[in-house]
Amino acid sequence: RKEVEQDPGPFNVPEGATVAFNCTYSNSASQSFFWYRQDCRKEPKLLMSVYSSGNEDGRFTAQLNRASQYISLLIRDSKLSDSATYLCVVTGGSNYKLTFGKGTLLTVNP
Amino acid sequence: GAVVSQHPSRVICKSGTSVKIECRSLDFQATTMFWYRQFPKQSLMLMATSNEGSKATYEQGVEKDKFLINHASLTLSTLTVTSAHPEDSSFYICSALAPWEGYNEQFFGPGTRLTVL
Repeated sequence: RKEVEQDPGPFNVPEGATVAFNCTYSNSASQSFFWYRQDCRKEPKLLMSVYSSGNEDGRFTAQLNRASQYISLLIRDSKLSDSATYLCVVTGGSNYKLTFGKGTLLTVNP
Repeated sequence: GAVVSQHPSRVICKSGTSVKIECRSLDFQATTMFWYRQFPKQSLMLMATSNEGSKATYEQGVEKDKFLINHASLTLSTLTVTSAHPEDSSFYICSALAPWEGYNEQFFGPGTRLTVL
């Protein structure tokens, strides 16, 4: 089983749509959880951290279920500029090593 | 703040040559930096953890004699790909761990695209 698994995608949605990404992780000792976005041929950029209580940042909502080892990201009212690959990332222990999922490509169409 | 640069952004070299990639934290000191590699349509894979003043810690399957890492100062880590071959062609990305206590974000450089002919 891969350490971090994501929806394979790709997702193609119209502007204004709501889209959800799912992610599962295998290491129950994982401590920190993130969503990054990566534009084509660029470095990943932190979108948001994910907390057990769930957290929201504008149109983006992230959820974490530690019991199920499941992370989600919801994007509401999607914009053309949201088109990117979304990476689920977890870390564990005290060494801050990040483990990346393969990513899910989102294309928002006009 | 928290800017990380990489140089070069792109390099093309002949098989058998060595290539050095620099990773710099521009406005903060980073005792810990990380080197990743990303093949097309694949995940970023951690290659090694670079610690200032000590030897790097390599991930399983990464040859330490082929990928030489030097972290000689608090703002610079270098990755040298020795005797590069076409299968080493990839996108190499570094990151620097935020130095502030209780803050575990990594700041990524813009990446270096290596093509070995």
